[in-house]
Amino acid sequence: ETGVTQSPTHLIKTRGQQVTLRCSSQSGHNTVSWYQQALGQGPQFIFQYYREEENGRGNFPPRFSGLQFPNYSSELNVNALELDDSALYLCASREQGVSYGYTFGSGTRLTVV
Amino acid sequence: GNSVTQMEGPVTLSEEAFLTINCTYTATGYPSLFWYVQYPGEGLQLLLKATKADDKGSNKGFEATYRKETTSFHLEKGSVQVSDSAVYFCALTLTGANNLFFGTGTRLTVIP
Repeated sequence: ETGVTQSPTHLIKTRGQQVTLRCSSQSGHNTVSWYQQALGQGPQFIFQYYREEENGRGNFPPRFSGLQFPNYSSELNVNALELDDSALYLCASREQGVSYGYTFGSGTRLTVV
Repeated sequence: GNSVTQMEGPVTLSEEAFLTINCTYTATGYPSLFWYVQYPGEGLQLLLKATKADDKGSNKGFEATYRKETTSFHLEKGSVQVSDSAVYFCALTLTGANNLFFGTGTRLTVIP
């Protein structure tokens, strides 16, 4: 399977709720990263997973958490949603050690009301 | 710290005009530099890259040269097309790092 697929494409949640976003990585890509892209801004690194373990994290609070599964899928979970969490969430996968080989998904647009 | 500063947009050009989008960076180590493009409704796509000083990345008529002395990686294209309309992001990563640092993006609109 080629490409990175994210679901859902759009989502509306209420402040305080929890959300799970999903990503299906490109086959053979054992590293997955998640980014948050606020409107009019560049993507900000949330965290990275390699072989199902978190191995890097940006400046995001613990209520942002993730999982990576052996079948190249992964999840981003956000608890206690805040209005400022409204953004486009991007998943990117690559082979470990290939620093420029990221393949990005089209993202999930999350709106918190 | 590590950061990327991009020319603010939006940029509107006529077809066949010359394009420059400025990008400068600060880095705690020796970075690799990238330009990504985001078309409407799509994810980021790698446009070009350069991994060491004086390298020139090129793709689809776009070029950018890694200038260590000016910490810059400006994107250029000699003749833009309507299909080049998109948001362009300059980014860097450090050797052994887990993540990309992105600029804020520059929206380019090319009119016929």
